[in-house]
Amino acid sequence: GAGVSQSPRYKVAKRGQDVALRCDPISGHVSLFWYQQALGQGPEFLTYFQNEAQLDKSGLPSDRFFAERPEGSVSTLKIQRTQQEDSAVYLCASSLLGSGGSSYEQYFGPGTRLTVT
Amino acid sequence: AQKITQTQPGMFVQEKEAVTLDCTYDTSDQSYGLFWYKQPSSGEMIFLIYQGSYDEQNATEGRYSLNFQKARKSANLVISASQLGDSAMYFCAMTIISNFGNEKLTFGTGTRLTIIP
Repeated sequence: GAGVSQSPRYKVAKRGQDVALRCDPISGHVSLFWYQQALGQGPEFLTYFQNEAQLDKSGLPSDRFFAERPEGSVSTLKIQRTQQEDSAVYLCASSLLGSGGSSYEQYFGPGTRLTVT
Repeated sequence: AQKITQTQPGMFVQEKEAVTLDCTYDTSDQSYGLFWYKQPSSGEMIFLIYQGSYDEQNATEGRYSLNFQKARKSANLVISASQLGDSAMYFCAMTIISNFGNEKLTFGTGTRLTIIP
């Protein structure tokens, strides 16, 4: 079956531009996560959705970052007025709502590499 | 808050030898899960293995095993009979398990493993 897909795979934005990154999770997965991975670092949590509800946005670095999942499937991460420090790979992951064992596994998309010039 | 520490930035291992990647974690929660992910140069995060905090047996998945020492808060990954395709970044991660979902992952900084022919 299809895995998690993300688009675009690469995005170059001029400083100050707005960008929108899309994530298509695995069909039926209730949980959806966004992570930011800076070069040479591990991913860092940004935000979490359970169906359409955004239950945790504690990792969003500023109010320029906004995420939504209006119908409980596709999600969009929007960054307004991009800055150079926003340059990173943005990873989306989905999972079944934890029900034990390795069902906690998160399935990751290929990521969107954002470069702000 | 949770913390994952990976103290080996890089490792070089001869093909067919076994390799151990170190991971220690810190949490005050009793119910948690530990993961290892592989990230090749192509960028996708590939799930390798999961260990729950209440699992009494060490997890194994093919050539991968997780050496779980709860008292020492360590969760080392052992790869037996390494192959050239094992060359990648390896991330240790953990999540706190609750009844509310949101099993967001906290990642370490990773270990870059290079297999030498």
